[in-house]
Amino acid sequence: DQQVKQNSPSLSVQEGRISILNCDYTNSMFDYFLWYKKYPAEGPTFLISISSIKDKNEDGRFTVFLNKSAKHLSLHIVPSQPGDSAVYFCAASATDYKLSFGAGTTVTVRA
Amino acid sequence: NAGVTQTPKFRVLKTGQSMTLLCAQDMNHEYMYWYRQDPGMGLRLIHYSVGEGTTAKGEVPDGYNVSRLKKQNFLLGLESAAPSQTSVYFCASSYSRYNEQFFGPGTRLTVL
Repeated sequence: DQQVKQNSPSLSVQEGRISILNCDYTNSMFDYFLWYKKYPAEGPTFLISISSIKDKNEDGRFTVFLNKSAKHLSLHIVPSQPGDSAVYFCAASATDYKLSFGAGTTVTVRA
Repeated sequence: NAGVTQTPKFRVLKTGQSMTLLCAQDMNHEYMYWYRQDPGMGLRLIHYSVGEGTTAKGEVPDGYNVSRLKKQNFLLGLESAAPSQTSVYFCASSYSRYNEQFFGPGTRLTVL
């Protein structure tokens, strides 16, 4: 029973354009959301997070949007760069310290 | 700072063998976690610890045991390995629940 879903396994985008990654969740107790980036043969690295009291958080080229009523969050990367080619995981947590991860979206940035 | 390190990086086991994976962090984090990553399934939490001497079950704990005798180390044990435990294992640590988790480089385990 996957509580965090990333329905797009892959995304291809041209360099310089916007990448939009989507994530849906089912557990209404989730109050903290994160995005991680993963390169092959490496561990995931933290990208950006958002608390449920906010609906937007920005960090440079990365913006995360949270729509609590729809139980949906998205990650925007503008502009996309070749180094952004990686697997992106959405994750969420409630009060029990545990993170639930989505299955990941593989982003390929074309030159 | 080395961050989070994992030992070994690769291992091949036969069914029924046992082994221990070691995770070490030098960031003085209270919370530590063990995950497994399988194709198409993202990361799933096996066990976690909220402080030295404490452990708790995650989403997929069966077949694994853990120990946190020292704050900086978190050990994951497989008592009798099964082919279903073939996976990539990641350790992570964090200062608190509202801080990001830092991940190690992973251990690729194959059980034949």
